Amino acid sequence: NAGVIQTPRHKVTGKGQEATLWCEPISGHSAVFWYRQTIVQGLEFLTYFRNQAPIDDSGMPKERFSAQMPNQSHSTLKIQSTQPQDSAVYLCASSLDLQQNTLYFGAGTRLSVL
Amino acid sequence: QQKVQQSPESLSVPEGGMASLNCTSSDRNFQYFWWYRQHSGEGPKALMSIFSDGDKKEGRFTAHLNKASLHVSLHIRDSQPSDSALYFCAASFITGNTGKLIFGLGTTLQVQP
Repeated sequence: NAGVIQTPRHKVTGKGQEATLWCEPISGHSAVFWYRQTIVQGLEFLTYFRNQAPIDDSGMPKERFSAQMPNQSHSTLKIQSTQPQDSAVYLCASSLDLQQNTLYFGAGTRLSVL
Repeated sequence: QQKVQQSPESLSVPEGGMASLNCTSSDRNFQYFWWYRQHSGEGPKALMSIFSDGDKKEGRFTAHLNKASLHVSLHIRDSQPSDSALYFCAASFITGNTGKLIFGLGTTLQVQP
């Protein structure tokens, strides 16, 4: 079991460009989560899916961020018109199910917006 | 205001010593708690969960939960240099949308050889 796989590990974009981050959850896990980590804000919840259906996107900045889960083996987080304040480590996690289940995190994608 | 608050922000203990980390929730709807640990360059990894009042021990790690005061603690005995990391307390709701975890800002633990 390779765990949660996130690609790329590092991404550098110019201001205004688009960034797409990829996540492959652990096989058999039904829930996939996206978090953003910064020094100031810590680990911020963005969104999650259960059985590929979006359940809660309450943490997503509405205008430029979007997440999809087209199949059970991968999810994407897309940021349009990136801004310097989007610079962070974006973490994907999966869990066997909801309710008292542990989240397993990937190593993250470090996004740097110049 | 953070709904899950951790203290101290940083902690230094000698190798072999005891490290004690604290976490308090401001939302009585939080009922399930976890401790996660993150080493530099890696994602957070779950250390242990605690859902019932009292103590839960796993090896050198002991968690304590008091639901009445919404306080959870983590105690690491015989601390090792490899325990040096960022420790997060996380909580989830007992009802409704129970999937997501809300994390505290973390406690940085440094174990001095």
